[in-house]
Amino acid sequence: GQNIDQPTEMTATEGAIVQINCTYQTSGFNGLFWYQQHAGEAPTFLSYNVLDGLEEKGRFSSFLSRSKGYSYLLLKELQMKDSASYLCAVMDSNYQLIWGAGTKLIIKP
Amino acid sequence: EADIYQTPRYLVIGTGKKITLECSQTMGHDKMYWYQQDPGMELHLIHYSYGVNSTEKGDLSSESTVSRIRTEHFPLTLESARPSHTSQYLCASSGTGDNSPLHFGNGTRLTVT
Repeated sequence: GQNIDQPTEMTATEGAIVQINCTYQTSGFNGLFWYQQHAGEAPTFLSYNVLDGLEEKGRFSSFLSRSKGYSYLLLKELQMKDSASYLCAVMDSNYQLIWGAGTKLIIKP
Repeated sequence: EADIYQTPRYLVIGTGKKITLECSQTMGHDKMYWYQQDPGMELHLIHYSYGVNSTEKGDLSSESTVSRIRTEHFPLTLESARPSHTSQYLCASSGTGDNSPLHFGNGTRLTVT
């Protein structure tokens, strides 16, 4: 079967750096997405990786290793507003998105 | 401003009722999707559409139907609501490219009593 694994919850301190990991086992691979979802709100797009390596976008970066079935989202200079769930989703060989359950990130002052 | 809208935002209904959840987008996107999401759980695809008069079933489609008569409109209908349908329903749309991200509506939180 297809599977996406993320930690359920992580805690970090304001101003620090946090890395949220995502491992996947899917039938084929056509890209990996990261979304941010604040409590009670809709998910919003953060990043897309289809080739190995690091994609940087401001305070957020996303890394992909296709051979290892692994990605991470790196958040720098954490702010209180970064408290949210972070969803990892992989597009399989049929171009269908397979979603992880999300990682709830708690930021403490 | 281009956006995606869902109504109602919250809905409480009794068992056995027929309900339609509305979704409209003003971005001209061909692809539209309905997802179900429970707290702390992954999104499950209910139905999707790649254009007018095109609809496909997802993983959780057996108890609902959709229609796509206009590009901007993609309503979801539950013929007979049950308590197991209590959940959050998210509508999304995307552009034509494979790497086009999903744009989500704010969701409908449904409670069936």
